[in-house]
Amino acid sequence: NAGVTQTPKFQVLKTGQSMTLQCAQDMNHEYMSWYRQDPGMGLRLIHYSVGAGITDQGEVPNGYNVSRSTTEDFPLRLLSAAPSQTSVYFCASSYKGPPGSNEQFFGPGTRLTVL
Amino acid sequence: TQLLEQSPQFLSIQEGENLTVYCNSSSVFSSLQWYRQEPGEGPVLLVTVVTGGEVKKLKRLTFQFGDARKDSSLHITAAQPGDTGLYLCAGAYSGTYKYIFGTGTRLKVLA
Repeated sequence: NAGVTQTPKFQVLKTGQSMTLQCAQDMNHEYMSWYRQDPGMGLRLIHYSVGAGITDQGEVPNGYNVSRSTTEDFPLRLLSAAPSQTSVYFCASSYKGPPGSNEQFFGPGTRLTVL
Repeated sequence: TQLLEQSPQFLSIQEGENLTVYCNSSSVFSSLQWYRQEPGEGPVLLVTVVTGGEVKKLKRLTFQFGDARKDSSLHITAAQPGDTGLYLCAGAYSGTYKYIFGTGTRLKVLA
């Protein structure tokens, strides 16, 4: 099993550009999520999904869109990149289970810089 | 608003010393998790605590969940350089799948 994979590993964008961060998992996990990690802020939840066709907003959703058309994939779209979106982005997946009880498996992260 | 406060933020100790990291909240959580993250990688789960007052041990690491399920602690006995990393506590808002993470404790153990 590859676990959780993310592409690209690094990306530089100009303000106003759009892009999609890819995330895929091969563990048949129902739950998938996107976080951003900034210095001194821990991880903050952007969007999450509890199954194909179901998504919901996390703590910091503005400027980001998601969709979940398959169990395996959960792409994160930046609509119009801003310097404030410079961060490291992590995708995670887990079995659904009772909230807070299951291990989240994280991808290796995408380091995004917006100029 | 960050609901999970961790302390200390940074900790630099000598090999062999003991340490405790705290995770505090004003909210009740059904469970709390502890993760460790190494540079350039995603966090990896260490433990999940689900019952108030619960104590779990993982080799030299001892995790405790507060009786009121609002706080947790991580104690490391005889720290080793391999324990170096960022320690994060995490919980889900009651009844939801909205996870929040603590601000993190960056530990450095010097040989």
